[in-house]
Parts: sequence; structure tokens; C-alpha cells
Amino acid sequence: DIQMTQSPSTLSASVGDRVTITCRASQSINKWLAWYQQKPGKAPKLLVYDASTLETGVPSRFSGSGSGTDFTLTISSLQPDDFATYYCQQYQTYSFAFGQGTNLDIK
Amino acid sequence: QVQLVQSGAEVKKPGASVKVSCKASGYTFFSYTIHWLRQAPGQRPEWMGWINTDNGNTRYSQKFQGRLTITKDTGASTAYMELDSLISEDTAVYYCSRGPVDTALNDVWGQGTMVNVSS
Repeated sequence: DIQMTQSPSTLSASVGDRVTITCRASQSINKWLAWYQQKPGKAPKLLVYDASTLETGVPSRFSGSGSGTDFTLTISSLQPDDFATYYCQQYQTYSFAFGQGTNLDIK
Repeated sequence: QVQLVQSGAEVKKPGASVKVSCKASGYTFFSYTIHWLRQAPGQRPEWMGWINTDNGNTRYSQKFQGRLTITKDTGASTAYMELDSLISEDTAVYYCSRGPVDTALNDVWGQGTMVNVSS
């Protein structure tokens, strides 16, 4: 099975900061990677798919990049609503694994 | 708007079964695959299986093979997830989601159903 590893696990930042979260796959997944945002008690929300395509309605301060095994999610200028947990997910191959999550909190 | 609405929280004893429903609205039901995922407390989401809502084909994670059944009622635009032989480690929030046909991308999620397995 393909394993997904995110870093960092926790990230403390301030409103207005630029932050980057990384996700590494244990083998190539081409571009088949999605990023989700989850807030406490809520379902995950799709932000980016196909590694770099922004889901409709997602603010342009979010962007994704990468291919193969290494991917990044960047938030260009953090807003108060962005403090949440972020997950990557590969959807190339069973078992469609998620990363362990990055908890983005307020510094 | 596109929406997936799940049935309510369940409390089950070990060894029992649970069946959770997921009613779709705001789009053509058979144009998208329905997935089931779960998330134990403090853990990452875990994909369990999917159903092709057009032809009824299913695919299950090997982890749940033999005790997971996903079905659909096209007329009611509803999908179902039944998990048998419950153990305490099955305690989690169970989600349905929608995605492009036969892919594991999840673009719309239900609100989640808490299943608590306890003696």
C-alpha cells in the first residue's frame, strides 16, 4: 500500500503569514493528490485536487503543487478562518490513504 | 445545493451490526460514486469502500472485506453502509462522500455519523 507522510504535524503561525505544508508519497502517485481542510466536529472539505487544481469556491490564497512523490499546499496569507487541520490524500491506488494531518494553530 | 445527509448517531454492543444511510440531493445520483470513510477520534480519515451508483459495482478495502456491505436505492437517491461484527475499535465517525465515477476523490461529504461500540 502507498503510505502518505505529512510535515510538519503541527504548525503555529500568525494571521498574514505564508505557510507551506508538505506531503510525501511512498511511491509515485503522478498528480493524483488532494488536499482537505477539517475543522473540529466537521467533515473534511476539499481544497485542491489533481495536485494543483483549486476546487470551485476555494479562496485563491490556497495553492497546491508537486507531482510524483512530493507535494505542497501553500496558504499565501493566513486568515483567521484558515486555522484548522489539513490532510493530503492519494487517489491513484488502493488504499487511497490520507496523510496523518497537519494541525495549523494560532501562534 | 449539493448535499449528502446521513442518519443519526448509533450506540451498539460488540458483535452487533450497524447500518448508516446517506441521502443525496441537488445532483443526479447515478452520475457520481458514493464512498464511505471513517475517522476514529484524533486519527486520520480511512477509506472503507465505494459503490458505483450507476451499475451498482462495489469495491471494499481489504481491511473490511467480509464484514462491510455498501448498497444503494437509486429511487430514493440513498446509499447505505452496513458493518457487521462490531468491535470497540470500530468506534468512529462514519462519513459518506461523493466523487467522480470510480475514483477515490471526495468532493462533497456528508455531516458524519458517530458510531459508538461499547458493552
